[in-house]
Amino acid sequence: QQQVKQSPQSLIVQKGGISIINCAYENTAFDYFPWYQQFPGKGPALLIAIRPDVSEKKEGRFTISFNKSAKQFSLHIMDSQPGDSATYFCAARGESGSARQLTFGSGTQLTVLP
Amino acid sequence: EAGVTQFPSHSVIEKGQTVTLRCDPISGHDNLYWYRRVMGKEIKFLLHFVKESKQDESGMPNNRFLAERTGGTYSTLKVQPAELEDSGVYFCASSQFMSFTNTEAFFGQGTRLTVV
Repeated sequence: QQQVKQSPQSLIVQKGGISIINCAYENTAFDYFPWYQQFPGKGPALLIAIRPDVSEKKEGRFTISFNKSAKQFSLHIMDSQPGDSATYFCAARGESGSARQLTFGSGTQLTVLP
Repeated sequence: EAGVTQFPSHSVIEKGQTVTLRCDPISGHDNLYWYRRVMGKEIKFLLHFVKESKQDESGMPNNRFLAERTGGTYSTLKVQPAELEDSGVYFCASSQFMSFTNTEAFFGQGTRLTVV
C-alpha cells in the first residue's frame, strides 16, 4: 500500500514555464512534508519542506502548496530552468514506534527544455 | 566536510551470491537510515540505527538482509543470498538528531545493485 501517491511520473516543461508536481497522502498522522531533488548520480537532497499548519511556503522559485482537508500537497517551480531538470520526490514524515522515518512518493522525472 | 559516502557505486552480481554495501555517515551523526528504490518506484525505508543500535528495522524485506553498524560509525548492509527482486538503488542517509524537522537528513549517492 503506497501511502504517498505522486504524479505525474514524468514532466517536460519549456524554459521559463511553471512545473507542477502533485502528491496525495492517506495517513493523517503525517506531520512534515519535504520535497527532495535528485540529480543523476547523486543522492536526494532536501529542497523545501512544509508543516501541515501552513498552507503555502515559498523559497525562491520553489513553492509548496498544502491542502490539509484534501490531504494533498504540490510543488510549483516558477520560471523553470534547464538546471532544474532532475527527479523530484515528495515525502511525508510519520512516526513508527519510537522512530521517525520518511515515506516517499514514486518520483517525478522533470525535464526542462532550453 | 565530507558528506554521506556509499560504496560501491554499482554492483552487478549473480542470483545466489552475496553482496555487502557500505555507508559512511557524516561524522557525528548518530542516526543512520537505509532506504531502497526498486525499479523507479518509491524510495522505501529499510531500517534506522541510533549509534550502533537498531532503532527500527520494520522495513527490512526478509532475513536475507542483514544490517550492522560497527561502533556506531559506518554501516554495512549484506544481502545473502541475493535474489532478482533485490535489484535497485540502495540509499543511506544520516542525521544528527532523530527528528527530520530538527535537522536535515543527508543522503548518500546510492549503490545501484543489479542481480542477474
